[in-house]
Amino acid sequence: NAGVTQTPKFQVLKTGQSMTLQCAQDMNHNSMYWYRQDPGMGLRLIYYSASEGTTDKGEVPNGYNVSRLNKREFSLRLESAAPSQTSVYFCASSERQGYGYTFGSGTRLTVV
Amino acid sequence: AQSVTQLDSQVPVFEEAPVELRCNYSSSVSVYLFWYVQYPNQGLQLLLKYLSGSTLVESINGFEAEFNKSQTSFHLRKPSVHISDTAEYFCAVTLGDKIIFGSGTRLSIRP
Repeated sequence: NAGVTQTPKFQVLKTGQSMTLQCAQDMNHNSMYWYRQDPGMGLRLIYYSASEGTTDKGEVPNGYNVSRLNKREFSLRLESAAPSQTSVYFCASSERQGYGYTFGSGTRLTVV
Repeated sequence: AQSVTQLDSQVPVFEEAPVELRCNYSSSVSVYLFWYVQYPNQGLQLLLKYLSGSTLVESINGFEAEFNKSQTSFHLRKPSVHISDTAEYFCAVTLGDKIIFGSGTRLSIRP
């Protein structure tokens, strides 16, 4: 039972490079989310997808784009990485509101 | 707008002592409330949740939280902590189809 799988686990980028963080869930959940975690700031929502075919901005969407490829997969893209995007990124999924999230193990991204 | 405030960024306690991690929220509507735990270098795991019914909810590892509507609080308690409880704890509240997290409380256990 894999749950939520994120790849890669670690990544170092140079300023201006692009990359895509991958997330897949095997629980048939409708909703998927991308958060970033920074020290002392908790988790901040970047984008979310309430259902297949829909995406919406969260608290901190600037500099990111997302794609809900199908019900299982929700990717996060950094088009031109900046040092301010150095963070730990978590993907999560939820069957529906109120049920809580299942989180992936995170991607630690460093932009130099 | 809804928000979640965790009043303590760090809480040091001795092993086998009781602990309370405080959480207050602001909301004009009924909410669902959660506590998540993050062990070092891991993702977040759901510890317990309040959806409706009894205001006291418990986890399988001895934690409990009480929903207090009048004080808009959802404090997390454990009567006797263990070294293995060392982690960061996040309070969270629903906002539509998404969840808003507090800034976290780091619980450190001293032997």
